Amino acid sequence: EAQVTQNPRYLITVTGKKLTVTCSQNMNHEYMSWYRQDPGLGLRQIYYSMNVEVTDKGDVPEGYKVSRKEKRNFPLILESPSPNQTSLYFCASSLSTSGLYEQYFGPGTRLTVT
Amino acid sequence: AQTVTQSQPEMSVQEAETVTLSCTYDTSESDYYLFWYKQPPSRQMILVIRQEAYKQQNATENRFSVNFQKAAKSFSLKISDSQLGDAAMYFCAYRSPPDDKIIFGKGTRLHILP
Repeated sequence: EAQVTQNPRYLITVTGKKLTVTCSQNMNHEYMSWYRQDPGLGLRQIYYSMNVEVTDKGDVPEGYKVSRKEKRNFPLILESPSPNQTSLYFCASSLSTSGLYEQYFGPGTRLTVT
Repeated sequence: AQTVTQSQPEMSVQEAETVTLSCTYDTSESDYYLFWYKQPPSRQMILVIRQEAYKQQNATENRFSVNFQKAAKSFSLKISDSQLGDAAMYFCAYRSPPDDKIIFGKGTRLHILP
């Protein structure tokens, strides 16, 4: 089944404790992206990647890191999480950068930083 | 910078009636794509409909259609014969080739009244 998977789905952590949220797709997609969703703010793009070893900042990259060493994986790293990073996070992928191709979203990761 | 505005945080419609959700955007680009996504209580992001800016014809997917006014930078979503399953948060989104950032509006929560 074609899908985007994220792990973990739920995470409660403490300020400053490094964490990684994994994202994997099995569709051989070139484009992958991370978003955060906050009430009243919609979805905001954190980072995106147009291919292996190519990543770019979205609108809210501060406090986050990403890497794209393999085509299928695009982990989101929070080196020192803070309470303002409490949010719902989505990973998404599409075949290429063209808007003609649908973005497939993962199920979301609910992160709480205390 | 590109922006996407959804001016209606919440709307309600009677079951079987028609409702229109509004979206305006700001861009200096001529080539771009516009999307409507649905997010039901399950939090899954589902693509409803897509419009290419170079196409004058309004996109249609079953009960969902758009009114795309390029000069006015307006992209509204019309849902005909509303059903209980249409209750969700709806997001308008913009994607432009030059930098491939994807920008979402803040969303409109749609309630369907039985």
